[in-house]
Amino acid sequence: DGGITQSPKYLFRKEGQNVTLSCEQNLNHDAMYWYRQDPGQGLRLIYYSQIVNDFQKGDIAEGYSVSREKKESFPLTVTSAQKNPTAFYLCASSIVGTGGSPLHFGNGTRLTVT
Amino acid sequence: AQSVTQLDSQVPVFEEAPVELRCNYSSSVSVYLFWYVQYPNQGLQLLLKYLSGSTLVKGINGFEAEFNKSQTSFHLRKPSVHISDTAEYFCAARSGGSQGNLIFGKGTKLSVKP
Repeated sequence: DGGITQSPKYLFRKEGQNVTLSCEQNLNHDAMYWYRQDPGQGLRLIYYSQIVNDFQKGDIAEGYSVSREKKESFPLTVTSAQKNPTAFYLCASSIVGTGGSPLHFGNGTRLTVT
Repeated sequence: AQSVTQLDSQVPVFEEAPVELRCNYSSSVSVYLFWYVQYPNQGLQLLLKYLSGSTLVKGINGFEAEFNKSQTSFHLRKPSVHISDTAEYFCAARSGGSQGNLIFGKGTKLSVKP
């Protein structure tokens, strides 16, 4: 079955440490996205990529970094520069083409930084 | 820029009652509209989408939504809810003819009580 796999589901880190969240898809989608979800704030776009080796900042990119070395993979690094990293992180993918393509989501990673 | 407003942050309802979750979007020449559902600690799942054509769109789990261009609304409805419909629902929009980013509302928590 095609889908998006995010790992791990729960992640705990100490303040000041960088942490990398994994996202892998086997849907053969060109576009991949990272969203951050906080209670009552909906989804906010961190980074997105429409093609291998290229990515763009979203609305809240500060303190985050990404890479897109393979079509299937789009890891997100939460750096120590991110002031409030504790959140639920969602990865998504879609076909690149018309605007009617929906996003397909993984099951998320809940990051807790203490 | 596109914006999406979900008018109710929480909607409590009794089992087997009808429900309407409201969504308004900022006006655009054309727009693609989506509703997603999120169960606790999971990713988002597509319920339905409006791209063009009939203004009444049917989705999964017995949900439907009506596109109203004059009122710039895309309200989600279900005639009879179940306990299992308890979840958070997100409305999203993308301006037509583009691969611009999907803009999400802040979500509506539907709580179905026995």
